[in-house]
Amino acid sequence: DGGITQSPKYLFRKEGQNVTLSCEQNLNHDAMYWYRQDPGQGLRLIYYSQIVNDFQKGDIAEGYSVSREKKESFPLTVTSAQKNPTAFYLCASGPRGQLNEKLFFGSGTQLSVL
Amino acid sequence: QKEVEQDPGPLSVPEGAIVSLNCTYSNSAFQYFMWYRQYSRKGPELLMYTYSSGNKEDGRFTAQVDKSSKYISLFIRDSQPSDSATYLCAYTGGFKTIFGAGTRLFVKA
Repeated sequence: DGGITQSPKYLFRKEGQNVTLSCEQNLNHDAMYWYRQDPGQGLRLIYYSQIVNDFQKGDIAEGYSVSREKKESFPLTVTSAQKNPTAFYLCASGPRGQLNEKLFFGSGTQLSVL
Repeated sequence: QKEVEQDPGPLSVPEGAIVSLNCTYSNSAFQYFMWYRQYSRKGPELLMYTYSSGNKEDGRFTAQVDKSSKYISLFIRDSQPSDSATYLCAYTGGFKTIFGAGTRLFVKA
């Protein structure tokens, strides 16, 4: 089955700790995205990548880092500099680098602070 | 001004009702308008997208875009309990997609 796999489903972070969220896709999509979802707010873009070994900051990149070493994979690291990390994180991919009217989302990772 | 405004609801309707979900947006340069459905604690899934103004129908769902008033609508006919979810409007132009906060819909059997 083609799709986007996010893991883990639930993640807990201790203060001062970096944690990494995994995102893998087998849709052969060029573009991949990370969004953060908070209650009562629209999805906010953290980082996006249009091609391997290249990525750009979104609207709320501070405290996060990403890599794109393979087309299929786009992991997100939530660093200790992110002071309010509790949120639902969504990874998405699209068939093209721009004008993505069709985004495919993973099932999400709920990150909470201990 | 938010780039897209969407009433959070919740909206509760009886089974079989016609549902109207709406958004207003601010950036007139964007050309693609989408509706995503999100079940609780799941990722959004694309329901429909339209290009520029006009209507698009797919089964029980109709998407409507009025660019003159910057208004996006989704109509659901013969609503079912399985339609209970959060509906996100979105629009895109270039590399950026802007999402509304979503409207929670409950369809009661």
